Amino acid sequence: DAGVTQSPTHLIKTRGQQVTLRCSPKSGHDTVSWYQQALGQGPQFIFQYYEEEERQRGNFPDRFSGHQFPNYSSELNVNALLLGDSALYLCASSLADLSEKLFFGSGTQLSVL
Amino acid sequence: GNSVTQMEGPVTLSEEAFLTINCTYTATGYPSLFWYVQYPGEGLQLLLKATKADDKGSNKGFEATYRKETTSFHLEKGSVQVSDSAVYFCALNFNQAGTALIFGKGTTLSVSS
Repeated sequence: DAGVTQSPTHLIKTRGQQVTLRCSPKSGHDTVSWYQQALGQGPQFIFQYYEEEERQRGNFPDRFSGHQFPNYSSELNVNALLLGDSALYLCASSLADLSEKLFFGSGTQLSVL
Repeated sequence: GNSVTQMEGPVTLSEEAFLTINCTYTATGYPSLFWYVQYPGEGLQLLLKATKADDKGSNKGFEATYRKETTSFHLEKGSVQVSDSAVYFCALNFNQAGTALIFGKGTTLSVSS
């Protein structure tokens, strides 16, 4: 049983560029949440997707957007990259009715130069 | 606002020593509280949780009790092993869906034989 998979594992971009990160949830899960983890910090909640809609959003600007597909996989898009967007981006999946039990992927390490 | 504060590491212990990692929180309402663990090279994993005051969460020899009067959720283990070396994160949820978690900064535990 595959867990949460994220791609790519590492990414290097320059300021002003746009990036797309991908996540496949654990088999049977229908809810995907995204977190940003800066170096030495705990993860910060970006947003959550359920039934292809954004259901909850944290304190992140509109440059951060997402999408969920009918197969429950998800993308995180970040536009107009800033140096401060450099971080580990984590995807977590869950079942909507058991949403307190999150399963995390290993993350995508984004470096903005 | 809602926040989590946990003791700074690193915490360095010998095998079979007693472990305490302190965690205190600020929250409106009655959040659920969690401890997540991140082993080297792996994604975050739920270690234990408690959903209401005086609940005790336990798993793999680790325990934490939800103390509303002191707004704390300290993690303890009576006898640590080398395999417990990891980063530990205290967290609370701030929405009813339960997937929007607020994390502390993490505490690195290193256990030597």
